[in-house]
Amino acid sequence: DQQVKQNSPSLSVQEGRISILNCDYTNSMFDYFLWYKKYPAEGPTFLISISSIKDKNEDGRFTVFLNKSAKHLSLHIVPSQPGDSAVYFCAASRGGGADGLTFGKGTHLIIQP
Amino acid sequence: NAGVMQNPRHLVRRRGQEARLRCSPMKGHSHVYWYRQLPEEGLKFMVYLQKENIIDESGMPKERFSAEFPKEGPSILRIQQVVRGDSAAYFCASSPTTPTGFGSPLHFGNGTRLTVT
Repeated sequence: DQQVKQNSPSLSVQEGRISILNCDYTNSMFDYFLWYKKYPAEGPTFLISISSIKDKNEDGRFTVFLNKSAKHLSLHIVPSQPGDSAVYFCAASRGGGADGLTFGKGTHLIIQP
Repeated sequence: NAGVMQNPRHLVRRRGQEARLRCSPMKGHSHVYWYRQLPEEGLKFMVYLQKENIIDESGMPKERFSAEFPKEGPSILRIQQVVRGDSAAYFCASSPTTPTGFGSPLHFGNGTRLTVT
C-alpha cells in the first residue's frame, strides 16, 4: 500500500561524516524522484531531484543515487553539518512531476557534534 | 518556504465546527496542491487544483472535505463538521503555471496546524 518507503525513522550521524538516507518505491511508473527537508513547524523545502533517465545527481554536498532495477534511491550528504538535522522526505511522481507527489514517512536525521 | 502563504498557522476547532484553511500560491503559480500530514506519518496528497478547476481529488475524503481555487483570491480547503481525526498539519504547495516536467518541484507553505477539541 505504501508506494514510497523510508524504513529508517531516524538516523544519527557524527558531524563531518557521511549521512546516507534510503528510500524504496514499488510503483514502476514513477519517473521523477525528489528529496525534501523539513524543520519543525515549517513546510518541506525542496533539496534535490533526479529523473529516471539518470542514476546520479549531485548538488554541492548532496548527491542522490537512483537504482531503477532495485527501485531504490538514496541521498548522500557529505560532510554532514549540524544544520542538516531535520526530517528528510523522499517523494516520487509520474509524468515528470506534473501530478501530485507520493511521499515516504520521512527519516529524522540527527547530526551529533 | 517564503512565497506560498498559508493562514492561519494554527487553528483550533471544536467537534462539529467548520474549518477553513487558506493558501496563496507563489506569484505566477496557478497550480495548487493540498497535502495532509498526520502525526508520525508522511505527507498524503489530497487534491490538485488549477484556477477554477479541480484536476485530481483522489486523495480527498469523500465527505466533509472540499477545495476550491477561484479565479481571484486564495485556494480554500474546507472541512465541515470536523472530528478529532481531522487534527493534522495541512500543507499547501504550488507549481509554475505551465508544468515543465522534470525540475519543477513543488514549493510548500509552512502549513496550518488544525487541532480539533
